[in-house]
Amino acid sequence: ETGVTQTPRHLVMGMTNKKSLKCEQHLGHNAMYWYKQSAKKPLELMFVYSLEERVENNSVPSRFSPECPNSSHLFLHLHTLQPEDSALYLCASSLRRGAYEQYFGPGTRLTVT
Amino acid sequence: AQSVTQLGSHVSVSEGALVLLRCNYSSSVPPYLFWYVQYPNQGLQLLLKYTSAATLVKGINGFEAEFKKSETSFHLTKPSAHMSDAAEYFCAVSGMNTGNQFYFGTGTSLTVIP
Repeated sequence: ETGVTQTPRHLVMGMTNKKSLKCEQHLGHNAMYWYKQSAKKPLELMFVYSLEERVENNSVPSRFSPECPNSSHLFLHLHTLQPEDSALYLCASSLRRGAYEQYFGPGTRLTVT
Repeated sequence: AQSVTQLGSHVSVSEGALVLLRCNYSSSVPPYLFWYVQYPNQGLQLLLKYTSAATLVKGINGFEAEFKKSETSFHLTKPSAHMSDAAEYFCAVSGMNTGNQFYFGTGTSLTVIP
């Protein structure tokens, strides 16, 4: 595997379910990011991890819970989501946090029913 | 505050015609600038980046962009559009004025007409 991978690619869940999104980067980067991309809206930065430490949490509801066990893996745990949480969730990584270019995974298309 | 504006949420060009996608930034300090492309149901792919070296930056797939400080612009161009260029394009800015955080534009959807 090369670059940034995300699983699953598609996920349908009910509002009472608990699920997790997984991201893995094979680039030796030290910073990882979660973004939300909704139709007709700009990309929304959700969380930033640098050297496995969360450095940003942009007013994201607590029903989204990130986890970064090491510099190569990033998870987004989901519980009691709302229909408006349906979106494409993108993971990205960069060499370090800052002005360095970010490399994106293919995304997970989440539908909350 | 740092921001980036993409003029035109939808652009249509004929196959073989010039592609011009506009991006303007607001910053008192020259930032780092990026163009990304997103094909349907995929993530964002880096096309090119400007990091204060040459003002004309060449990227992948025949795209290039020119940094113009006097116009605070970083427009993306391609001399001849291909059908495969149909996608969403995002301009992004980063640098000291942003606290080194990335800010993405709202995107421009490019349609190529055969």
